Amino acid sequence: EPEVTQTPSHQVTQMGQEVILRCVPISNHLYFYWYRQILGQKVEFLVSFYNNEISEKSEIFDDQFSVERPDGSNFTLKIRSTKLEDSAMYFCASWGGEQFFGPGTRLTVL
Amino acid sequence: AQTVTQSQPEMSVQEAETVTLSCTYDTSESDYYLFWYKQPPSRQMILVIRQEAYKQQNATENRFSVNFQKAAKSFSLKISDSQLGDAAMYFCAFSTDYNQGGKLIFGQGTELSVKP
Repeated sequence: EPEVTQTPSHQVTQMGQEVILRCVPISNHLYFYWYRQILGQKVEFLVSFYNNEISEKSEIFDDQFSVERPDGSNFTLKIRSTKLEDSAMYFCASWGGEQFFGPGTRLTVL
Repeated sequence: AQTVTQSQPEMSVQEAETVTLSCTYDTSESDYYLFWYKQPPSRQMILVIRQEAYKQQNATENRFSVNFQKAAKSFSLKISDSQLGDAAMYFCAFSTDYNQGGKLIFGQGTELSVKP
């Protein structure tokens, strides 16, 4: 069964550093998403991506965040200058009639 | 703004018993989708069940069923014959344009424990 994959599973970084979280959506899916879940809290929408551009973003998705689909398979989330409060689980999802989630990347900012 | 509220932070059920998790939502839209997701300790998000608002019949997936009350904006999840593997965090979610790739809006979650 096709699945969304994410790498790395856990990323530790120093405050102020740039991180790139990677996702491989299910092939032939059309929409891609990033969600964030701070430990113990609800899952929050960050951004959706369609036809090589952002289709919607939340107020959380400020200038320190960017997304890219550099080739036909990967979908990345870049955080330019990480803050302590960026520590969270980041989920990638893709939609092809149904939204499927990846296993998540746990980001720890020290 | 659309919101999803889960008023039960924690619930507990005896194995083989039935439990109901509550969810309410707020929207001015008439057409939307509702979901229940399960998040086990691995933190993977697993779709349990979904309901289209235009359908009057409540969705059912094996031991999982929903009670969708559109007028009351209520969407509860019933788990029958609870199993130890049902222990997880359960999130209610909402989407207005899901079939066009719309985002999901989640509630705060309900932590379900299952006692043997």
